[in-house]
Amino acid sequence: AQSVTQPDIHITVSEGASLELRCNYSYGATPYLFWYVQSPGQGLQLLLKYFSGDTLVQGIKGFEAEFKRSQSSFNLRKPSVHWSDAAEYFCAVGPYILTGGGNKLTFGTGTQLKVEL
Amino acid sequence: EPEVTQTPSHQVTQMGQEVILRCVPISNHLYFYWYRQILGQKVEFLVSFYNNEISEKSEIFDDQFSVERPDGSNFTLKIRSTKLEDSAMYFCASVDPRAGNEQFFGPGTRLTVL
Repeated sequence: AQSVTQPDIHITVSEGASLELRCNYSYGATPYLFWYVQSPGQGLQLLLKYFSGDTLVQGIKGFEAEFKRSQSSFNLRKPSVHWSDAAEYFCAVGPYILTGGGNKLTFGTGTQLKVEL
Repeated sequence: EPEVTQTPSHQVTQMGQEVILRCVPISNHLYFYWYRQILGQKVEFLVSFYNNEISEKSEIFDDQFSVERPDGSNFTLKIRSTKLEDSAMYFCASVDPRAGNEQFFGPGTRLTVL
């Protein structure tokens, strides 16, 4: 069964500091990995995704993530956090090839990011 | 840019009432999903729909739930007799199979059961 673990429930960083949010996954095939961001009362916005190719992927809002197969990890990073980045971040995994069934995404429990000014 | 839309944005209902949540997926997409997020918890898969039938459902998706694509554009989730624990944010998503499994999510419907 597929699963996603986000070990940090809450993280607080100062504005301008670097950020790393951790994500570990368990998946029986080649995973398709995503990071979503959710602001309070809002929907899910895709930050970035990875299936193959360069293991360092760039996303929107200055975010990047690195896929490490040996560690089953897909950590999200940002060199310098802005106050507007305060939100909840979800890592998700699913299949890339659609088969007509079983194409769901499995989400982690999320990491709530607080940014101190 | 095309997007998934959902109506209403907020629905308040009494326990035991039926509710229908509506979604308009992106027009050329073929796979459709409902997820829910109970306040403070993670996003959970409910059901996937392809080729006019359910392709997968979770254990949450019991007989009280049903989905339908009544016409070429809408995708609905019906809860027949709502319970307090159905209070959650419900997200619809759709996929273009030519572009892998990137699921485009709607803004969600917040369902409050009193």
